[in-house]
Amino acid sequence: DSGVTQTPKHLITATGQRVTLRCSPRSGDLSVYWYQQSLDQGLQFLIQYYNGEERAKGNILERFSAQQFPDLHSELNLSSLELGDSALYFCASSAQETGSHEKLFFGSGTQLSVL
Amino acid sequence: AQKITQTQPGMFVQEKEAVTLDCTYDTSDQSYGLFWYKQPSSGEMIFLIYQGSYDEQNATEGRYSLNFQKARKSANLVISASQLGDSAMYFCAMRGPSTISSGSARQLTFGSGTQLTVLP
Repeated sequence: DSGVTQTPKHLITATGQRVTLRCSPRSGDLSVYWYQQSLDQGLQFLIQYYNGEERAKGNILERFSAQQFPDLHSELNLSSLELGDSALYFCASSAQETGSHEKLFFGSGTQLSVL
Repeated sequence: AQKITQTQPGMFVQEKEAVTLDCTYDTSDQSYGLFWYKQPSSGEMIFLIYQGSYDEQNATEGRYSLNFQKARKSANLVISASQLGDSAMYFCAMRGPSTISSGSARQLTFGSGTQLTVLP
């Protein structure tokens, strides 16, 4: 168990809908990351938060947004969903913001299916 | 830009034998970290092992060791005494130094993965 909690584990929804994915980082970790894993794109970095502030953006669509709350949990909001958004969405956490030595610990992921 | 290459889409190994999963990387940074993660069929990503670019000794964690050849820019994962539970997808990843100005460039970059199957 990595200590990172993601809910829900599975999510099935329809095109055009909006969903929210939730993540609780490991105790003491201040940095939260969101990754998307799909068959064609592999693992792609979406966005990083550190202690409530956005720190880095990757290949995140404008229809997607995220935030980190004062209790350090994070939510990833996906709106106007398309079939191509179907993927496994991971949350990860680390103790610090940056550093090549910083290990990321991943949650078990949310499998999103857009029908 | 960082790039991770895993050239083996799939590998088979007999139970109790050792197996090497290849990983090469490309970076212009002097300071970087190399990581291996395991993803079983259940989907979670499990951290296995870490190697820093300035570490002089190869990292080891139980049955996992990292064969780090800096000049060749390779960071192969060696699993000794394979077990059936080792069957999974394995990802090599790299993270750059905090001094990179672009925040996204400091993030963990993953290879395409190697599907390992351990045969009884």
